[in-house]
Amino acid sequence: AQTVTQSQPEMSVQEAETVTLSCTYDTSESNYYLFWYKQPPSRQMILVIRQEAYKQQNATENRFSVNFQKAAKSFSLKISDSQLGDTAMYFCAFEGGADGLTFGKGTHLIIQP
Amino acid sequence: DAGVIQSPRHEVTEMGQEVTLRCKPISGHNSLFWYRQTMMRGLELLIYFNNNVPIDDSGMPEDRFSAKMPNASFSTLKIQPSEPRDSAVYFCASSFAADRMDTQYFGPGTRLTVL
Repeated sequence: AQTVTQSQPEMSVQEAETVTLSCTYDTSESNYYLFWYKQPPSRQMILVIRQEAYKQQNATENRFSVNFQKAAKSFSLKISDSQLGDTAMYFCAFEGGADGLTFGKGTHLIIQP
Repeated sequence: DAGVIQSPRHEVTEMGQEVTLRCKPISGHNSLFWYRQTMMRGLELLIYFNNNVPIDDSGMPEDRFSAKMPNASFSTLKIQPSEPRDSAVYFCASSFAADRMDTQYFGPGTRLTVL
């Protein structure tokens, strides 16, 4: 079975700073997808960014980018120029093999004004 | 597209009552997932449908839980009888996936409270 570990239960940064959320995973699969989902206080689960394991290039979506290290099984999320609206729970998720989507426990990110 | 639609958004019921949660996936998606989120256990996959057929229900906690997908645009998750430990947020997600690996889009969730 796959496991996803987010080692930072909570992080707090000042507005406009850059913040990196860490995520590691364990799998024996060679073909898989990785995701970061954002869950604001509204509880909606919003897709932030997605990475295919076969792609060497790190995915980027505006202020959000990932550092995907396949050999190290690491998938960190970098948020540049952080904004108050980025305050949310962030979940790292893995999809591959028979177990479907596996989520980490989440990191609560707080952006301070 | 309106995205994944779930109803109700909030449900408060008493122990022993039947609860039915509803989900309308994104049009054209062929896979549908039910998840449960609690503080203790995080996000857990309960059941997964592909082309309206249940593929993996190994995450369904017990026989009190059942899920159906009578057509491509509607699914239900039923709990009968409900218990206080069922209190959680239940998410429905859908995707267009030939082999289950594709981006899942989540609904807003249903917050269930069982008293």
